[in-house]
Amino acid sequence: AQSVTQLDSQVPVFEEAPVELRCNYSSSVSVYLFWYVQYPNQGLQLLLKYLSGSTLVKGINGFEAEFNKSQTSFHLRKPSVHISDTAEYFCAVSRMDSSYKLIFGSGTRLLVRP
Amino acid sequence: SAVISQKPSRDICQRGTSLTIQCQVDSQVTMMFWYRQQPGQSLTLIATANQGSEATYESGFVIDKFPISRPNLTFSTLTVSNMSPEDSSIYLCSATSGGPPYEQYFGPGTRLTVT
Repeated sequence: AQSVTQLDSQVPVFEEAPVELRCNYSSSVSVYLFWYVQYPNQGLQLLLKYLSGSTLVKGINGFEAEFNKSQTSFHLRKPSVHISDTAEYFCAVSRMDSSYKLIFGSGTRLLVRP
Repeated sequence: SAVISQKPSRDICQRGTSLTIQCQVDSQVTMMFWYRQQPGQSLTLIATANQGSEATYESGFVIDKFPISRPNLTFSTLTVSNMSPEDSSIYLCSATSGGPPYEQYFGPGTRLTVT
């Protein structure tokens, strides 16, 4: 079975500072990795995904993530955050062997302060 | 990508009643999914809806409580039956088309409060 751990339930940061949201996963098979963002009172929007190839993945809104197979991690980073980045961020995995099910982490609330 | 809409966006219902949530996709998709997001928590998959077959429910969710319809390739409904306050959640619809990695697109959610 797969599991996803987001170590930080909330990350406060000042505007224009860098941020890293941590995600670790556990799986006996290879997985696809995703980061989703949920703005207040909205659904989920895909930020970025890792399927294969380069371990550094760039997404929308200036976010990027790095896949580290040895550490089974997929941390999300942004070099300079804006107030508008305040949202809930979810890491998710799905099995590469044709499984459509997404397994979500518990989420990290990013709170950007002026 | 697919654009997904849901109706209603929110509702307040009395216990013992039922609510049907609609999910509309702007293009044909292979699979549609229904998730529950309880207050302050992550998403839990309720069931997968394929056109022309019964929905596949996850452990802890049953058809009598959450009947699902999928009459065509762009539409699905989820009914929350005989509601109790514990059913107060956000219900999200998502969809995917094609094969792996089965990237899912999400609707805006339906915020349900049961009193």
